Amino acid sequence: AQSVTQLDSQVPVFEEAPVELRCNYSSSVSVYLFWYVQYPNQGLQLLLKYLSGSTLVKGINGFEAEFNKSQTSFHLRKPSVHISDTAEYFCAVSHFTGTASKLTFGTGTRLQVTL
Amino acid sequence: DAGVTQSPTHLIKTRGQQVTLRCSPKSGHDTVSWYQQALGQGPQFIFQYYEEEERQRGNFPDRFSGHQFPNYSSELNVNALLLGDSALYLCASTWTGTYNEQFFGPGTRLTVL
Repeated sequence: AQSVTQLDSQVPVFEEAPVELRCNYSSSVSVYLFWYVQYPNQGLQLLLKYLSGSTLVKGINGFEAEFNKSQTSFHLRKPSVHISDTAEYFCAVSHFTGTASKLTFGTGTRLQVTL
Repeated sequence: DAGVTQSPTHLIKTRGQQVTLRCSPKSGHDTVSWYQQALGQGPQFIFQYYEEEERQRGNFPDRFSGHQFPNYSSELNVNALLLGDSALYLCASTWTGTYNEQFFGPGTRLTVL
């Protein structure tokens, strides 16, 4: 079984400040890791994913995340946030079974960017 | 490319009723998954369809059922609605084989009164 823990339910930050959203996962097998963003009244948009290779993954909108296998973490970072980054962020895990597989999501982190 | 589309956008039902939600996958995709997102929670996997068959299922009761059509579109049916079924229902599509990103639709907001 897999599980995802997002340690912060809300993260307030000023515009142009850096931010880190934390994510830890639990799994008995190798996993794929994802960060999704959800704007109000919308579906989920993929920010970035880790499937294999380099542990530092760059995504859209200036976000990046680092996969740390020993700490079972996949924290999301952005060096300078913008008001438009205000949204709900979800970390998710999946494992590949030879066919497309389900995603297991964390409970989300609300990023609130203010002036 | 229209991406993943879902209908209706919003729906209001009363307890005990039945509801059908619809999803059209992104062009070229053959696998459809459904997720339930309760208010303030992360999405929970309901089930996944491929080649018109349910391939995986999450921890949801039999009141939740689905179907996939030959054109890969899908329906989610929920019988005997409960207040707790109120949620955003998300459809995601991908193509099978090597692992690929799941693309999400905008969701259907179901309110059960």
